[in-house]
Formats: sequence, C-alpha cells, structure tokens
Amino acid sequence: DVKVTQSSRYLVKRTGEKVFLECVQDMDHENMFWYRQDPGLGLRLIYFSYDVKMKEKGDIPEGYSVSREKKERFSLILESASTNQTSMYLCATAGQGRREAFFGQGTRLTVV
Amino acid sequence: AQSVAQPEDQVNVAEGNPLTVKCTYSVSGNPYLFWYVQYPNRGLQFLLKYITGDNLVKGSYGFEAEFNKSQTSFHLKKPSALVSDSALYFCAVRRAGSSASKIIFGSGTRLSIRP
Repeated sequence: DVKVTQSSRYLVKRTGEKVFLECVQDMDHENMFWYRQDPGLGLRLIYFSYDVKMKEKGDIPEGYSVSREKKERFSLILESASTNQTSMYLCATAGQGRREAFFGQGTRLTVV
Repeated sequence: AQSVAQPEDQVNVAEGNPLTVKCTYSVSGNPYLFWYVQYPNRGLQFLLKYITGDNLVKGSYGFEAEFNKSQTSFHLKKPSALVSDSALYFCAVRRAGSSASKIIFGSGTRLSIRP
C-alpha cells in the first residue's frame, strides 16, 4: 500500500508565523502535490513538484512556497501565516503519466 | 488551462434508486479522468479512472463512470444506491501525454442517500 504521511493532523499558529507542513511518501513517485480544501471550493492546487528541486505553481500559490530536496519529501511553507490560510491541507503523490493520486490524511491548520 | 466543473453541490437519492453525479472537464489534449470519495473525517479515496479504451469504466463499491468525449463529461453512476454511499465526491482531470502533469479537482458534490 502507498503511504503518504503528513507530519501533523492539527496545527494552530499565530498570524505572521512561518509555518512548515511536511509530507513524506514511500512509493518513489515523481509527482507530489499540495492542495487546500475549503467547503464549497473543493480541492485547489497550491503547488506541485515533478522531480527533486522541480516545482510548478498551481492555481493559488500566493502566500505559499515549497521545497523538495529529496524525492520522498515535499514541504509546504507559509511565509507569514494569515487567517485566510486557515484550511485543510492535503498532500498527494502520483507516479508519472496516468496514475492516480494517493492522499495523506490532511493537516487542519488554524491561524489565529 | 485545466478545469473541472461539478454543477451540483448536493445530490439526494432514495436508497435502491440509481444515482448520477455529474462532471465536465476542460483540458488541452486527451484527458485522464478520476473520481474520488471522501467520508467524514477521512482522507480522499480513489474510486475509478478513465485512461483510454472502453468509455464505461468500473470501480470500487459498485460505482461506474461513463466518458463522453464529445460532451467532455465523466459522470459517476451506480445502479442502486446504498445509505453508506453518502459522502463527498470529487472529479479530477490530468492531461495525458506528459510525465509532469498536474491533477485538477472539481468543487465536490455531496451525495446524500435517504433510507
């Protein structure tokens, strides 16, 4: 079974803090993704990475950055957390081409 | 640009009746299409996918989906709904032919099956 592990299930951070969300996969997949899930808006792609040190912006990259120094790990960084970044964050991984994505359990982030 | 539309926020069906959850997509070139399900407080689970070939694909829990290229649709169907099918369903699209392609999801449809 594919395992996608997100470092925290719940996080509470203060406005202005720098926040790191970590994701690790054990399937040697090239592609990794970060989404945020908000009611009524579905899953929106923040960033994805198709190889080590390679990344592309998704639909809502503003206020976020990412890091992929090793194939198995993909980090999402909130440079200066704001209350409108309160959300559920989902990490996913997928093999090249036609394969479906596998998701972690999600991190519910609250920014106060 | 890729996009997915799920026109219904909620679908209500009586147990035992057939169900359909609608999805239309936009992508340059050929698509790979997916359906996922999310139960309360659970992660997203893969249901089924269309890659190529037969337009009717079958997946987990008795679900199936029909790919219609001319209508750019990929509707999810089940002949007889169960109360346990109540969940949030997401359609997704990925551009075929690229090794580095993103996966774009729709806004989700909440399926409610009444006993």
